[in-house]
Amino acid sequence: DQQVKQNSPSLSVQEGRISILNCDYTNSMFDYFLWYKKYPAEGPTFLISISSIKDKNEDGRFTVFLNKSAKHLSLHIVPSQPGDSAVYFCAALGPGGSYIPTFGRGTSLIVHP
Amino acid sequence: NAGVTQTPKFQVLKTGQSMTLQCAQDMNHNSMYWYRQDPGMGLRLIYYSASEGTTDKGEVPNGYNVSRLNKREFSLRLESAAPSQTSVYFCASSSWVNSNQPQHFGDGTRLSIL
Repeated sequence: DQQVKQNSPSLSVQEGRISILNCDYTNSMFDYFLWYKKYPAEGPTFLISISSIKDKNEDGRFTVFLNKSAKHLSLHIVPSQPGDSAVYFCAALGPGGSYIPTFGRGTSLIVHP
Repeated sequence: NAGVTQTPKFQVLKTGQSMTLQCAQDMNHNSMYWYRQDPGMGLRLIYYSASEGTTDKGEVPNGYNVSRLNKREFSLRLESAAPSQTSVYFCASSSWVNSNQPQHFGDGTRLSIL
């Protein structure tokens, strides 16, 4: 059973608009969440993270929101750029599942010029 | 700064052949990991090494063995390759397994088993 779910396999957005990538989790023991970005033929690279004691973390064009009661987090990219086209993985950490991340299946973002 | 280096980048094997995937990191990290990525399946943990001298099974360890050769190197071995092991394999490292520090990944080994 998936503990971290990214229910949208793909997302298509126009350049300059907002991209919103969603992630849901089932294990209430998760207390830290990360987003990774992956380009074709490369390994995933860390993008942004958030602790469960916060509900928002911002880094430039990237903002992650956490709704603990809903067990939901989202990654907002504003404005979206063609170079943001990649696969985005959500990952969760926590004492319940050890501090080895549990990954979602990824969302492929395509940003059209 | 190379980060995490995986060799080879590509390999084609026949069913039943054996192979070792190599991984080395130069960030002085204590913990290292092997994942496989299959279409629509995300990243699944095969084995990890919390520190030099220790290894533990992940979610999908069957058919694989690992060796933590030293602090820098962590290898993954397929003793008798099967077509179900066709995948992209990623090695990763992090400062400590029990921390919130993000993992650093290599660029992967694309393995096809015929």
